[in-house]
Amino acid sequence: EIVMTQSPAPLSVSPGERATLSCRASQSVSNNLAWYQRKPGQAPRLLIYGASTRATGIPARFSGSGSGIEFTLTISSLQSEDFAVYYCQQYNNWPYTFGQGTKLEIK
Amino acid sequence: QVQLQESGPGLVKPSETLSLRCSVSGDSISSNYWSWIRQPPGKGLEWIGYISYSGSTNYNPSLESRVTISADTSKNQFSLKLRSVSAADTAVYFCAREVNKSFDSWGQGTLVIVSS
Repeated sequence: EIVMTQSPAPLSVSPGERATLSCRASQSVSNNLAWYQRKPGQAPRLLIYGASTRATGIPARFSGSGSGIEFTLTISSLQSEDFAVYYCQQYNNWPYTFGQGTKLEIK
Repeated sequence: QVQLQESGPGLVKPSETLSLRCSVSGDSISSNYWSWIRQPPGKGLEWIGYISYSGSTNYNPSLESRVTISADTSKNQFSLKLRSVSAADTAVYFCAREVNKSFDSWGQGTLVIVSS
């Protein structure tokens, strides 16, 4: 199965600043990658699919990039509600696999 | 707006069968794909498997020998059965709708503890 590795863990950023989260696949997944946000006690929320397409209702400050094995989620100006754990997921091959998560903390 | 809600026992004894149900509103399970995903305490997310709109299934090879996902279209529900559980199966279990292979709607999740 494809192993997804996220970095850094954790990531400390001040509100208003930019956050850059990375995800690396053990083999190419083309652009078949999604990003999710999870807050304590809540269900994960789909942010990005197809590596760079924002899901419905996701603010424009969230953007995704990359293809192949290297991917990035960028949050351009952190809001208080953005501090959470972020997961990447590949769906190029079965079984679908997730990264271990990056916790985005308030600095 | 689609909503999913997991239900089932929160405590299962080792070697027994874990059974969960996911009730769906706002969409028909006769369309799209419907998955189960879990997250053990302190660990990452693990995809368990899906059932499709046509009733076909696909499971994670790591769990395939113990898992069955089924659907009841009359109730718009789908279910998970995981046999011969151990402490390693303790996790929050989520049901989710899969659209274009990503999960756009999730239930709140239900914690299942495996313990005697």
